[in-house]
Amino acid sequence: QVQLKESGPGLVQPSQTLSLTCTVSGLSLTSNSVSWIRQPPGKGLEWMGVIWSNGGTDYNSAIKSRLSISRDTSKSQVFLKMNSLQTEDTAMYFCASHITMMVIDWFAYWGQGTLVTVSS
Amino acid sequence: DIQMTQTPSSMPASLGERVTISCRASQGISNYLNWYQQKPDGTIKPLIYYTSNLQSGVPSRFSGSGSGTDYSLTISSLEPEDFAMYYCQQYDSSPLTFGSGTKLEIK
Repeated sequence: QVQLKESGPGLVQPSQTLSLTCTVSGLSLTSNSVSWIRQPPGKGLEWMGVIWSNGGTDYNSAIKSRLSISRDTSKSQVFLKMNSLQTEDTAMYFCASHITMMVIDWFAYWGQGTLVTVSS
Repeated sequence: DIQMTQTPSSMPASLGERVTISCRASQGISNYLNWYQQKPDGTIKPLIYYTSNLQSGVPSRFSGSGSGTDYSLTISSLEPEDFAMYYCQQYDSSPLTFGSGTKLEIK
């Protein structure tokens, strides 16, 4: 059974750095890519970036300069770091694992999300 | 970036009704289109991948179709558990982008 679980601080001060962890079970990070997706309160979904199964990364250009995604395959964990946080970064943050094969690429498994509030 | 325009933004509907949600891409996306359902508690569930393929366990009342820039999700007969938010998502090119969502509400 595949499970993803996000964890993080909950509250971050403006201008500080956000660090989140996605702990994955039931699949291998060397075979499956993992994305971070966020959702501001009452709004839609925004893809932030991905760490591919080969360890490469791709980021949404809108936040690329502030974002870093990495992983520890031995611990089955994927990390998100985003700096210079502002109030508009307040959102539910989800991690999701891909199923990728030939013409298919989709977010097959999702975590429950972790709410991050940016406030002083 | 490819913009995904989803319509309608909200849809009141009745149990047993057939409903269709539309998703239009700002350029052709070669069927690289997925659909997701988000329940009121925030849980996100994949429904359909590559335009028309049902995720395992998704009821057959859900179906997807489309090509080029225009895609749709149809629910043939609404059940109580179907009242939720629905999002389309393209993966033709980076950044991956989602539609703005359709809220399916009980009439």
